[in-house]
Amino acid sequence: DQQVKQNSPSLSVQEGRISILNCDYTNSMFDYFLWYKKYPAEGPTFLISISSIKDKNEDGRFTVFLNKSAKHLSLHIVPSQPGDSAVYFCAAVYPGGGADGLTFGKGTHLIIQP
Amino acid sequence: KAGVTQTPRYLIKTRGQQVTLSCSPISGHRSVSWYQQTPGQGLQFLFEYFSETQRNKGNFPGRFSGRQFSNSRSEMNVSTLELGDSALYLCASRSTSQGRNTEAFFGQGTRLTVV
Repeated sequence: DQQVKQNSPSLSVQEGRISILNCDYTNSMFDYFLWYKKYPAEGPTFLISISSIKDKNEDGRFTVFLNKSAKHLSLHIVPSQPGDSAVYFCAAVYPGGGADGLTFGKGTHLIIQP
Repeated sequence: KAGVTQTPRYLIKTRGQQVTLSCSPISGHRSVSWYQQTPGQGLQFLFEYFSETQRNKGNFPGRFSGRQFSNSRSEMNVSTLELGDSALYLCASRSTSQGRNTEAFFGQGTRLTVV
């Protein structure tokens, strides 16, 4: 049972436009969410996170929005750049400390078109 | 500050063999987690170690095991390898067990191919 879902395996966006990556979760126990970016042959790198007590967190070109009632979060990248082409993973954490592992979605492959 | 180091980077094994993968976390990080990445299943949590103790385990068979040493370095072992174990195995470290506000830093992974 996939508790964190990224329903779009891939997304193509023109350079300079906004990229919106979506993530849905089913378990209301999750209280902390993260986005990771992964290039081929490299490990995921942390991008941005959000606590469930917030509905928005912004870091430069990256903004994450959280809609708890809909159990939905999204990552906005604006403007999109060629270096943003990568696989993006949404992840969620249970409360009670970091002893629990991250639960990841299957990823969305973002392709930035020149 | 050195990042998370995983060795080896690539490995080819035959079915039925066993394999040991190594992970050295970022200096000072005491929490080490292991993940399996496959094209069909994405990133799946294997287990996490903190201070030499397994704190949590994902839904993997007992053929997958791990341990952590006093210097926080961790190893994972897969016995009786199956073709389906072919994957990228990623190790992640965090500074404390209170990971709510600390992100995990990943190594480059070990690409295991079982033939």
